[in-house]
Amino acid sequence: RKEVEQDPGPFNVPEGATVAFNCTYSNSASQSFFWYRQDCRKEPKLLMSVYSSGNEDGRFTAQLNRASQYISLLIRDSKLSDSATYLCVVSYSGNTPLVFGKGTRLSVIA
Amino acid sequence: GAVVSQHPSWVICKSGTSVKIECRSLDFQATTMFWYRQFPKQSLMLMATSNEGSKATYEQGVEKDKFLINHASLTLSTLTVTSAHPEDSSFYICSARDRGVYLDGYTFGSGTRLTVV
Repeated sequence: RKEVEQDPGPFNVPEGATVAFNCTYSNSASQSFFWYRQDCRKEPKLLMSVYSSGNEDGRFTAQLNRASQYISLLIRDSKLSDSATYLCVVSYSGNTPLVFGKGTRLSVIA
Repeated sequence: GAVVSQHPSWVICKSGTSVKIECRSLDFQATTMFWYRQFPKQSLMLMATSNEGSKATYEQGVEKDKFLINHASLTLSTLTVTSAHPEDSSFYICSARDRGVYLDGYTFGSGTRLTVV
């Protein structure tokens, strides 16, 4: 079983749509959780951290369920510029490497 | 914010040659540098963890004699792919922790796309 598993995608949605990504992680000792965005042939960039209380940043909302070891990302009012691969990422402690999911590709279509 | 400069951004080399990739932390001290590799449509996979002044720790399946990592200073870590072969063609990327920052303090280099012909 992979440490971090995500929806396989790809997701092709029209502009303005709401899209949700799901992710599960296998290590219950995971401490930190993130969503990263990766554009083609570029480095991943932090989109947002994910907290148990849930957090929102503009059109993006992230949720964490530690009991189910489940993380989600909701994107509202999709823009063309949201087209990218979204990576679910976990970390076990302060100085351990990030563990990446395979990513889910999103294409927002005009 | 913290910046990691990675060079080269892309390189094409002949089979059997060696390629060195550099990652420099420009405005912070990186005691730990993580090196990842990403094949097309795959996840970033950790290759090794390097700590300044000590030997790197390699992940299972990664040949330490093939992928030489040097972290001689708090601002520079290098990865050398020795005797490169076409199957080593991949996207290599480094990531560093800013000593003074927890949680979100992971900074990535811009990556190096290696093509071995």
